[in-house]
Amino acid sequence: GQQLNQSPQSMFIQEGEDVSMNCTSSSIFNTWLWYKQDPGEGPVLLIALYKAGELTSNGRLTAQFGITRKDSFLNISASIPSDVGIYFCAGTTSGTYKYIFGTGTRLKVLA
Amino acid sequence: NAGVTQTPKFRVLKTGQSMTLLCAQDMNHEYMYWYRQDPGMGLRLIHYSVGEGTTAKGEVPDGYNVSRLKKQNFLLGLESAAPSQTSVYFCASSQGIPEAFFGQGTRLTVV
Repeated sequence: GQQLNQSPQSMFIQEGEDVSMNCTSSSIFNTWLWYKQDPGEGPVLLIALYKAGELTSNGRLTAQFGITRKDSFLNISASIPSDVGIYFCAGTTSGTYKYIFGTGTRLKVLA
Repeated sequence: NAGVTQTPKFRVLKTGQSMTLLCAQDMNHEYMYWYRQDPGMGLRLIHYSVGEGTTAKGEVPDGYNVSRLKKQNFLLGLESAAPSQTSVYFCASSQGIPEAFFGQGTRLTVV
């Protein structure tokens, strides 16, 4: 079945560092979404992207909708300990209501 | 406002037993989803529903059945549990793109 590939799978960074992660697909998506999952919780929406090339920010987070519509990128600037968690990308296609999620990037921040 | 509530939160089953996971949402959302989360696999869509009385297969439907008799409830059934169904199960609801709201998950172990 469809699934989105995320990289890296996991990363350890120092507090204050910037973080970059990406998500790729063999299929085109009309909407790209980025979610964060805290330990023991369900995922929560961070950013939504609606058109190719779009760049959107939410505080220290910036995400981009790839030009080919087959990828998306998430950057976190000046990481803090509460950024710890699993980050998921998700895509949706026109005419469906399915959210297809990625494999996740696990982020750990060292103080 | 409870949002999305999953019952139970934890369960241990013996191989071959059956059980039903309940998802309830109080946001009057049309769309509801069941995902399973496994290490390194991210969130995979099992079944979903686009309205009361409707259900559709996701990416990994085998071994599961669902029902949506009432708009606010989405039930996931395992008729004959197998160890491969050991996972964390998440329910989500949505009123359309972009945001899906997730429950806190059900941790299921099949021994």
